[in-house]
Amino acid sequence: RKEVEQDPGPFNVPEGATVAFNCTYSNSASQSFFWYRQDCRKEPKLLMSVYSSGNEDGRFTAQLNRASQYISLLIRDSKLSDSATYLCAVNAVTGGSYIPTFGRGTSLIVHP
Amino acid sequence: DAGVTQSPTHLIKTRGQQVTLRCSPKSGHDTVSWYQQALGQGPQFIFQYYEEEERQRGNFPDRFSGHQFPNYSSELNVNALLLGDSALYLCASNHGDTQYFGPGTRLTVL
Repeated sequence: RKEVEQDPGPFNVPEGATVAFNCTYSNSASQSFFWYRQDCRKEPKLLMSVYSSGNEDGRFTAQLNRASQYISLLIRDSKLSDSATYLCAVNAVTGGSYIPTFGRGTSLIVHP
Repeated sequence: DAGVTQSPTHLIKTRGQQVTLRCSPKSGHDTVSWYQQALGQGPQFIFQYYEEEERQRGNFPDRFSGHQFPNYSSELNVNALLLGDSALYLCASNHGDTQYFGPGTRLTVL
């Protein structure tokens, strides 16, 4: 089993739809969690951190479920500009350093 | 406030050659990590530098080596290039447990 798993998609949704992605992780000692957005041939850009209490930023909501070892990202009222790959990252502390493990990403295509 | 910068943007090499990629971290960040991202995959951790020393290393062969300078900038060196080394190489600097990525260097090995 991979350390961090994501459904690669693509998720094909119309504008205005609500879409949710999950990311499962295997290391129960993981300490911090993130969602990144990556546009084609560009670098990942931090979208949001994921806290135990959840995190909301406008149309984006991230949740953490430690018991089932997954994080989720919900996007409401999808825009064409939301089309991108969404990467989850899971940090574990190794030798005093935070070392993230990334999933392979979930592709989102928002169409008119 | 400059973000993470990397050079060059693109690079084409042939098998067996050596390559050096460069990275300057975000201002105020002292830890630099390098990642390899193959097409359709997530970034894979190569190694991390802090205080001019390699602090952690991922599952990459010794052909991959690095260096960090006193100003926190860093280099990634890859020797004896293979076709499979073709990828986007990303540098990230840390603020606490959060990674901020540079624009990457796209390496093509022919």
